[in-house]
Amino acid sequence: EAGVAQSPRYKIIEKRQSVAFWCNPISGHATLYWYQQILGQGPKLLIQFQNNGVVDDSQLPKDRFSAERLKGVDSTLKIQPAKLEDSAVYLCASSFSSVRYNEQFFGPGTRLTVL
Amino acid sequence: QKEVEQNSGPLSVPEGAIASLNCTYSDRVSQSFFWYRQYSGKSPELIMSIYSNGDKEDGRFTAQLNKASQYVSLLIRDSQPSDSATYLCAVRGTGGFKTIFGAGTRLFVKA
Repeated sequence: EAGVAQSPRYKIIEKRQSVAFWCNPISGHATLYWYQQILGQGPKLLIQFQNNGVVDDSQLPKDRFSAERLKGVDSTLKIQPAKLEDSAVYLCASSFSSVRYNEQFFGPGTRLTVL
Repeated sequence: QKEVEQNSGPLSVPEGAIASLNCTYSDRVSQSFFWYRQYSGKSPELIMSIYSNGDKEDGRFTAQLNKASQYVSLLIRDSQPSDSATYLCAVRGTGGFKTIFGAGTRLFVKA
């Protein structure tokens, strides 16, 4: 079974530029998550999708971050414009749609450096 | 108070010993608890999930949950140098079903 796919793996941009990340979840997983992980910290949820609807985006900086999951499969996370503090690893995860049993599986992540 | 707290470590144990990793959480009605292992430069990998009070064993790993004390732990028996990593505790509450991660405990197993 293929795991969660993400691209690109690395990205270096200058502040005020825009960047987009792509995620393809495990086949059959209805729930998709985007996390931000800053060095030395645990992953922080940015947005959670159930199929193509948003379940939680309370920690997404909506003035600069946006995400979509068209057709309930692939997802794209965009940052525009980027700030220095956005330097982090952006992790995509997926899980079966279940109220209680919600084991999440992570992709390899995208390491973003903002100069 | 942080929602999910872990000792940042590093926790250093000799090869073959038992490593004990601890986690406390603040949401009393949390239902699901997970342990992830994260090697340096890699993404988190799920190693254990636990949903009921008591112990759950899987190979060299044992997860322990005490909801009354709001405490979950991970024991690694016969620790190996390959177990050296950061271990993340994750807790899923009932409100919004959001999973909250701790900052992780760094484990170092000395050969």
